Amino acid sequence: DAGVIQSPRHEVTEMGQEVTLRCKPISGHDYLFWYRQTMMRGLELLIYFNNNVPIDDSGMPEDRFSAKMPNASFSTLKIQPSEPRDSAVYFCASSLRGGQYFGPGTRLTVT
Amino acid sequence: DAKTTQPTSMDCAEGRAANLPCNHSTISGNEYVYWYRQIHSQGPQYIIHGLKNNETNEMASLIITEDRKSSTLILPHATLRDTAVYYCIVRERGPGGSEKLVFGKGTKLTVNP
Repeated sequence: DAGVIQSPRHEVTEMGQEVTLRCKPISGHDYLFWYRQTMMRGLELLIYFNNNVPIDDSGMPEDRFSAKMPNASFSTLKIQPSEPRDSAVYFCASSLRGGQYFGPGTRLTVT
Repeated sequence: DAKTTQPTSMDCAEGRAANLPCNHSTISGNEYVYWYRQIHSQGPQYIIHGLKNNETNEMASLIITEDRKSSTLILPHATLRDTAVYYCIVRERGPGGSEKLVFGKGTKLTVNP
């Protein structure tokens, strides 16, 4: 099993640009989660899906953030326009029952 | 959600058992205890979870007190690769694992040679 796959692993972009982060969950898992981690705020849940349907997006910081899950094997988190305060490591995780399995993360730097 | 309290940091000698405590005195009857860890620069890793019985898997053992107000994660033979931040999380278990995990500051475990 390849585990949760995220791309890119690193992203450096300029303020105002659109950023798209990608995630492939573990095959067969029906829940998908997006988290953000910073030194100041720790690890925060942004949004999660069940069977490709968004269930709770209360953690999404503002309208500049959006997430989609067009099918069971792919999800995106988009930031448009990006700002320096969006710099963080973004993790995707998936689960079936019990524990959540995290990907390696995407380190985003917005200059 | 029940609040958890963990020591900020702990040290352990390589090859010895690492016992990481967690207090969750306000835990309710339908809340599970989950343990995750995060090795530097990696994503969090699920370790184990339990409701009231002790649990064991290939990574660790989870001992939950009879009153469920505290628990201990045991790594039986710690190695240098077990150096990480360990998070104890108490959550209701949703259908299919839909827990909205809330990560605190955890315990920084350092395994020394």
